[in-house]
Amino acid sequence: DAKTTQPNSMESNEEEPVHLPCNHSTISGTDYIHWYRQLPSQGPEYVIHGLTSNVNNRMASLAIAEDRKSSTLILHRATLRDAAVYYCILSTNAGGTSYGKLTFGQGTILTVHP
Amino acid sequence: EAQVTQNPRYLITVTGKKLTVTCSQNMNHEYMSWYRQDPGLGLRQIYYSMNVEVTDKGDVPEGYKVSRKEKRNFPLILESPSPNQTSLYFCASRPRTGLNYGYTFGSGTRLTVV
Repeated sequence: DAKTTQPNSMESNEEEPVHLPCNHSTISGTDYIHWYRQLPSQGPEYVIHGLTSNVNNRMASLAIAEDRKSSTLILHRATLRDAAVYYCILSTNAGGTSYGKLTFGQGTILTVHP
Repeated sequence: EAQVTQNPRYLITVTGKKLTVTCSQNMNHEYMSWYRQDPGLGLRQIYYSMNVEVTDKGDVPEGYKVSRKEKRNFPLILESPSPNQTSLYFCASRPRTGLNYGYTFGSGTRLTVV
């Protein structure tokens, strides 16, 4: 499985934007970039995903580098409820046994200060 | 409400006593998967299922069984639990196709084997 690299932790202040980086230099053409987050004592929660183009949804934006070797999850205005572990994951849609599989790394622990 | 429901939420059992953790989803998703989460090791896939009667091993299948007789249910079976299976377990489901095919995770089952 292609691997991702994320900072262990990041901090932000409430109501400020947060940019969470992810490096995935070995990404293949069929790999989608997924972001999940896990709040304390809860299961992971889907945030956003993309392939080549930048993506926006109600939770966040995903900016994908032109060479696809890195991406950034953007939370436009952090709230205390956004404090969580954020996982950047590559998931292939190429078929076969790895189809749709999520391989979680250690993620980035986001702390949001009031 | 669209959700993945796991039962029980908490379970303490003794070594060797067979147990089943149930997982049910109400979203008509084809894909279902089981993960376990351990400190320092992150989330690791145990088994997954691409559809009814189609299951396959994930990264850590030893000591576990699954079945997928109906689309909505994907139980995890521990025939002879051992203390090293003490962990936090998550069930997840997703559609095979669609604009938003992120996984929906259950709330987790915390299992302790003594």
